[in-house]
Amino acid sequence: GAVVSQHPSWVICKSGTSVKIECRSLDFQATTMFWYRQFPKQSLMLMATSNEGSKATYEQGVEKDKFLINHASLTLSTLTVTSAHPEDSSFYICSAPPGGGADTQYFGPGTRLTVL
Amino acid sequence: GENVEQHPSTLSVQEGDSAVIKCTYSDSASNYFPWYKQELGKGPQLIIDIRSNVGEKKDQRIAVTLNKTAKHFSLHITETQPEDSAVYFCAASMVQGAQKLVFGQGTRLTINP
Repeated sequence: GAVVSQHPSWVICKSGTSVKIECRSLDFQATTMFWYRQFPKQSLMLMATSNEGSKATYEQGVEKDKFLINHASLTLSTLTVTSAHPEDSSFYICSAPPGGGADTQYFGPGTRLTVL
Repeated sequence: GENVEQHPSTLSVQEGDSAVIKCTYSDSASNYFPWYKQELGKGPQLIIDIRSNVGEKKDQRIAVTLNKTAKHFSLHITETQPEDSAVYFCAASMVQGAQKLVFGQGTRLTINP
């Protein structure tokens, strides 16, 4: 299957700082990538859809000014958590379908964010 | 919008026995149904998927069945092994359009040696 990577795998930051998480498709191009958040023992909740060359679309209830998404190229999307607070602590996971409108999505390994 | 319900939330089976996890979906327009396995601290791994033009798909010890009329689909794992222990998620989406996956709540599967 296709490979999606994330960096960093875990990060600890102080309240009020910003954190950037990278999502890369390693062996395919992805015009679309998805960002999810997962709290302990819960399911994955879609935060936003990242579109290469255009603005991201956010799910209802997700603050676009707090979770900045940039899809800089066909293989890279970034999620920046701005002015992070302890309640933003979570497991952030990205996914990407191979290009051409394929429906199969491959997930990255996730990034554990802890805000102190 | 789409809503996916998954049952049971926890499942414990003896090694070698079969495990079945069931999901129902609400939107009849959904036509793609993947299953993911997630181990602790890792991202979900696609284990099998099915599209609405077929009723059953099998890959070694894993099979998925789909009943479009009833809007439910199931994951079947036979001859379970300890390494099958993980959290399993079903999901539903439409092939065309935004391709957003809507996930079920997850099932924690424990295989007892």
